[in-house]
Amino acid sequence: DAGVTQSPTHLIKTRGQQVTLRCSPKSGHDTVSWYQQALGQGPQFIFQYYEEEERQRGNFPDRFSGHQFPNYSSELNVNALLLGDSALYLCASSIHRAGELFFGEGSRLTVL
Amino acid sequence: DAKTTQPPSMDCAEGRAANLPCNHSTISGNEYVYWYRQIHSQGPQYIIHGLKNNETNEMASLIITEDRKSSTLILPHATLRDTAVYYCIVTRGAGSYQLTFGKGTKLSVIP
Repeated sequence: DAGVTQSPTHLIKTRGQQVTLRCSPKSGHDTVSWYQQALGQGPQFIFQYYEEEERQRGNFPDRFSGHQFPNYSSELNVNALLLGDSALYLCASSIHRAGELFFGEGSRLTVL
Repeated sequence: DAKTTQPPSMDCAEGRAANLPCNHSTISGNEYVYWYRQIHSQGPQYIIHGLKNNETNEMASLIITEDRKSSTLILPHATLRDTAVYYCIVTRGAGSYQLTFGKGTKLSVIP
């Protein structure tokens, strides 16, 4: 079982650019959540997708958007990057309304 | 979701039990206590969760006080691989996606 896989693992962007991060959930999972973890802080909830729709959203601006595909995989898009968007972006998958979250290893984004 | 308070850091000797405390004095009746840990440079890993009763699995035990205002995560025989940041999270309902992570407790297991 491959678990949650994320790509890319590392990337560097400049201010104002756009980035897309990808996540494949654990086999059998239908729900994907995204978290942002700044250096030295705990992860912060961005949003959650189920049945290809955003179901819950944390306190993040509209520059952060996402998508879930029919095969349950997901993308996180961030537009107009700011220096403060530099962080580890974590994807977590789960079975809808049941059980714990399984996290991937994350995508580390550096904005210069 | 209820706020949690954890000590910023703890040490534990290898092979001994690690007892990590968490205060959640404002917890509501329908809120669960979850524990996750994050080993350096990895994603968080689920450990255990509970509502009222004590729980045990292959990784750890969770002891919740009768008034549910605090809990303790117990790693029975700590190893060097248990060195990590441990997060205590209180959230409504099992299967919650919007977890509020604090800064957690940095557990260092010492040889």
